[in-house]
This record gives sequence, structure tokens and C-alpha cells, in this order.
Amino acid sequence: LAKTTQPISMDSYEGQEVNITCSHNNIATNDYITWYQQFPSQGPRFIIQGYKTKVTNEVASLFIPADRKSSTLSLPRVSLSDTAVYYCLVGEENTGFQKLVFGTGTRLLVSP
Amino acid sequence: ETGVTQTPRHLVMGMTNKKSLKCEQHLGHNAMYWYKQSAKKPLELMFVYSLEERVENNSVPSRFSPECPNSSHLFLHLHTLQPEDSALYLCASSPGRLPANNEQFFGPGTRLTVL
Repeated sequence: LAKTTQPISMDSYEGQEVNITCSHNNIATNDYITWYQQFPSQGPRFIIQGYKTKVTNEVASLFIPADRKSSTLSLPRVSLSDTAVYYCLVGEENTGFQKLVFGTGTRLLVSP
Repeated sequence: ETGVTQTPRHLVMGMTNKKSLKCEQHLGHNAMYWYKQSAKKPLELMFVYSLEERVENNSVPSRFSPECPNSSHLFLHLHTLQPEDSALYLCASSPGRLPANNEQFFGPGTRLTVL
């Protein structure tokens, strides 16, 4: 089972900032937090990864509070093409191998 | 284009057929993965290979048989599948197997239909 909980769906309009929050209350000390984006009938695409505080790249920002029990993916000024499913993942230890377990994700719909 | 290719993109097979899915990564990565994505279900990790050695077998039925002949190629051999095996099968690769360098690059997937 995934170690994360996120909203099933969100709606937004073009040009708005979208913040998707993920809960991971049982995150382990050595777990990283990673976000992926998936369009229909395509493989997921890496967006951003962080361990603590704030990480920013050319497409998104990731905010992680000090207790690391949650994280927020921030998408600035979304467009119609940002309509997709967004997954929050944390690494999981299993037989010495860190693997990623995908949950159900958040389905973001951006409207004109 | 992610640097991970999969063939075929679409496959229809009967329950008695034998077929293989192929994945190739051009990124010099050391780890490769097979995932299954059924309709309205999360991605399920099936197999993981690290440096050509299988390190994860997620309780997958034996009718799915992976093969990793080298670090760039990964196969999934299929035989006597069931209709419920119809899904999108995704291949991914990553530089390493630890979270810090575990950004996974996914291929476009093979849409499999079992009749």
C-alpha cells in the first residue's frame, strides 16, 4: 500500500496557481518525496523531488515542512496542458531495496 | 521522448498465445522496472532489475516472465494470460536504486488486450 494520501481530484482555471498537498505521516528518515505527472495512456513523468524545506525547478516548487509529514506541490500559472494525474510518492524500504509505490494520485482538471 | 522505448505499442493476444514485450533504455541507467496499470487502478510494480539482477518480484503470477539480458534491455514474456491481465504495461529505468538518484524515466507503454 502507498504511504501517501492526496485528494482524488482538483479543478482549476488557466493562469491560476495550483497547490496539491500530500500527506505522508509515516515517512521514514531516509525517504525522499517525489512527484510525478501522468497523461492518459502515457507513462508518468518526473516533476520534482525533495527531502526537506523547499525545492524549485523550471516547472514546479515543492514545499516540505520541518516534520516532513506532508508536502505541497505548487504549479504556477497552470495551462490546459497541465490537466493530468499527479502522484506523490515516498521511497519505501523493502528487502534492502528502495522502491516507489504509486497511489491513486490527484486528477487535476484545468479549464479555460 | 524520455529515452525509454517500448515495443509493441499495442498488442492483442488470445489466452493461449505467447508474446513478449520489449523495453530499451538509451540513458545508461542501471535499474529497470516493469509496471502494470489497469483501468482506474494505481500503477503496480511488477519487477525490478538492478545491474541485470532481479531484485524485486512483487508476487506476480508465473505467466509473466521477465528477462534482462543486459542493462539496456528488458523483456516481459507472456504466456497463457487471462482477460484480467489486459492493461497498460510500462517500463521504466533509473540511474540507481536509491531514492536520491531514483528518478524513473518511463516508456510510452504497451497497451495489452487479452481476448
